[in-house]
Amino acid sequence: QQQVKQSPQSLIVQKGGIPIINCAYENTAFDYFPWYQQFPGKGPALLIAIRPDVSEKKEGRFTISFNKSAKQFSLHIMDSQPGDSATYFCAAFRGGGKLIFGQGTELSVKP
Amino acid sequence: NAGVTQTPKFRVLKTGQSMTLLCAQDMNHEYMYWYRQDPGMGLRLIHYSVGEGTTAKGEVPDGYNVSRLKKQNFLLGLESAAPSQTSVYFCASRDPGGRNTEAFFGQGTRLTVV
Repeated sequence: QQQVKQSPQSLIVQKGGIPIINCAYENTAFDYFPWYQQFPGKGPALLIAIRPDVSEKKEGRFTISFNKSAKQFSLHIMDSQPGDSATYFCAAFRGGGKLIFGQGTELSVKP
Repeated sequence: NAGVTQTPKFRVLKTGQSMTLLCAQDMNHEYMYWYRQDPGMGLRLIHYSVGEGTTAKGEVPDGYNVSRLKKQNFLLGLESAAPSQTSVYFCASRDPGGRNTEAFFGQGTRLTVV
């Protein structure tokens, strides 16, 4: 049973486009929702994170939108660049230590 | 500051062999995790630990065992490797709470079971 469902699996956009990656969760005990970015051959690294009492958070070109009632959250990348090409993971954490990841989205930004 | 270090980085095992993957962190984090990464499956949690001497099962624990005898180390063991365990394994560590709750990952261990 996948506790955090992520879509799409892959995404191709042109430079300057706004890719959107969506995630949904079931367990309402989750209280911290990070997004991680992974480049080939590297471990994932934190990109941006949000708590459920906030509906939106922006950091530079990256924005998280959070819909608590729908149990969904999404990542938007403004003015995407070829250097943003990577795999993106959403995740959910709850007290007690468990940190669960989505299936990942492979993003390709074409010049 | 090394962060999270995984050893080895690469390994090829024969079916039925055993091995131990080592994860070491120097950030004094309480929480540590082992994940496996497979195409289309994302990062799946194998086992995790919320402190020295404690371990808990994640999403896909079968075929693996773990130990956390020291706070800085988290070991993942495969007693009898199977081809289905061919994967890239990542270790991570994290503080339990507060303002900084980022999980830091190692560089991964690429394991092939033939």
